[in-house]
Parts: sequence; structure tokens; C-alpha cells
Amino acid sequence: DQQVKQNSPSLSVQEGRISILNCDYTNSMFDYFLWYKKYPAEGPTFLISISSIKDKNEDGRFTVFLNKSAKHLSLHIVPSQPGDSAVYFCAASPGAGNTPLVFGKGTRLSVIA
Amino acid sequence: ETGVTQTPRHLVMGMTNKKSLKCEQHLGHNAMYWYKQSAKKPLELMFVYSLEERVENNSVPSRFSPECPNSSHLFLHLHTLQPEDSALYLCASSQGAHSLNEKLFFGSGTQLSVL
Repeated sequence: DQQVKQNSPSLSVQEGRISILNCDYTNSMFDYFLWYKKYPAEGPTFLISISSIKDKNEDGRFTVFLNKSAKHLSLHIVPSQPGDSAVYFCAASPGAGNTPLVFGKGTRLSVIA
Repeated sequence: ETGVTQTPRHLVMGMTNKKSLKCEQHLGHNAMYWYKQSAKKPLELMFVYSLEERVENNSVPSRFSPECPNSSHLFLHLHTLQPEDSALYLCASSQGAHSLNEKLFFGSGTQLSVL
């Protein structure tokens, strides 16, 4: 059973508009969440993270929102740029203990010029 | 130079071949990982080494055999693979030795095709 779900396999957005990528999780023990970005033929690279003590974390054009009661997080990219076209993975972990990150299937974002 | 280097980038092998994937990290990290990425599936954790000791093995078939000779190097030895093992194999590292849920640094991966 998937503990981290990214239900949209793909998303297309016009350049300059907002991109919103969603992620749902089922394990209430998860309290640390990360987003990774992956270009073709490259490994995933860390983008932004959020701890469950916060509901928002912002880094430039990227903002992650966490809704613990809904077990939902989202990544907002604004304004979207063609270089943002990539696959975005959501990952989660319980903060304590020796449990590796659990990843979602990813969402492919295409930013159209 | 990237922090985590994987070789080869591409590999085609027959089902009776033996090959090895290599990973090297230049970040001074204490934990290293092998992940498998298949189409339309989440990243699947295969093996975790912390301070050169294996701490996680997610029921991976024995045709995959990891080796971690030191904290900077990680190998994945392959033998008698099946076509369904064709995938992108990603190596990653993280800072901590005692906490594996930290930020991961990935290599570019080896795209493996089994014929």
C-alpha cells in the first residue's frame, strides 16, 4: 500500500502562471517532507523541505504548504518557467528513528512557453 | 564534479551476464543507498548502508548483491537478471550515520536494459 501518493502523473502549465503539485500521505507518523526535482537522464535533486511544526516553507519561487489534518502537502511554483519542466517527487519520513524516506510516484510538470 | 558519481551511465546485459554498478560519493557522507526507478512506480529502496554496515534490505532478490567497501564507495553486483529488472538504478548518500530520513543526494543513475 502506497504511503505517499501523487495522484496526478502529469501537469501542464503556461509559462508565468502558478504550478501546483499535490501530495497525500497516509502515515500519521510522517513529520518531515521533501520535494525532489528530476530532469531526464539525471538523478533527483533536493528542492525544498518542510517539518510538521510548520505549515509553510518558502524558498524563492518555490513554496511548500503542509496541511497535517488532511495529510496533504503541495508545492507551488510561481512564476513557472520552462526550465521547471521536470518530474517532481514528494518524499516523507517519520522524524525519529532509522527509517529511510518514502517516495511518491512523481508528477511530470511541463511548462509551456 | 558532482557529489555522487555513478558508472556506467548506460548498461545493456543479457540474462546470463554478470556486471557491476559503481557509485562514489565525494561529500563525506556516512550513509549510501541503492534505489530502483521503474516506469510509473515510486522510487524503490533496495539497500542502505550506514558506516559501511548494511542496515536495510527491502527483500531484494539475491540476483542483486550490494557491496560497500568503505563509506565513499558502493557497488551493486548483478547476475542472472530478468528483463523486468530493466530500470534506472540510482545511488544516493546522506550525511547522518544514525538517522536515515535526511536529505538525500543522488547520482545520475545507471539505465539498465536486460535482454
